[in-house]
Amino acid sequence: NAGVMQNPRHLVRRRGQEARLRCSPMKGHSHVYWYRQLPEEGLKFMVYLQKENIIDESGMPKERFSAEFPKEGPSILRIQQVVRGDSAAYFCASSPTFSNQPQHFGDGTRLSIL
Amino acid sequence: KNEVEQSPQNLTAQEGEFITINCSYSVGISALHWLQQHPGGGIVSLFMLSSGKKKHGRLIATINIQEKHSSLHITASHPRDSAVYICAVRETSGSRLTFGEGTQLTVNP
Repeated sequence: NAGVMQNPRHLVRRRGQEARLRCSPMKGHSHVYWYRQLPEEGLKFMVYLQKENIIDESGMPKERFSAEFPKEGPSILRIQQVVRGDSAAYFCASSPTFSNQPQHFGDGTRLSIL
Repeated sequence: KNEVEQSPQNLTAQEGEFITINCSYSVGISALHWLQQHPGGGIVSLFMLSSGKKKHGRLIATINIQEKHSSLHITASHPRDSAVYICAVRETSGSRLTFGEGTQLTVNP
């Protein structure tokens, strides 16, 4: 009965490289949320996805960031041409339905940009 | 002004003390969450509530919808309760969670 699985736990990239963060929701959950926690700051919403659909991406930076949740496989948060300011902890959460259900969080991916 | 305000920002207590963390919000919500985050660790959902009061072990969460205020109480605190406690609200208008800045709790033995 695994929870939300995120990998990798830690990811180091050089400026200009691409970062791909993966999130496998809990079994039976079809809603995925990505959040970012910058150093010394609170959590901020990035994007909300259902299978094959982006429902709300109002928290995503307009450039270099994209997210997907394909029919098969994990949700992917992709950051192209990373910069130092992308260094943060990225958390994924999942829920079974949109309506008032608790969101279950993963352990996060700590992204460090050299 | 943040939509979700927590107080205090930092709290130090002695083992066994009763602890209260407060959360005020300025938007209409469908639910409020209390989360726990240990250093370098993941996030655990403690409570989700939309009215009244919930209890789990030594933890109690209350919400007053009219006053737009919630409290998290910890009875008989223990050093293992040391963590950051985060209040988050789901607005009635959407799906996103909006988070407070968190309260760093340290419980000394």
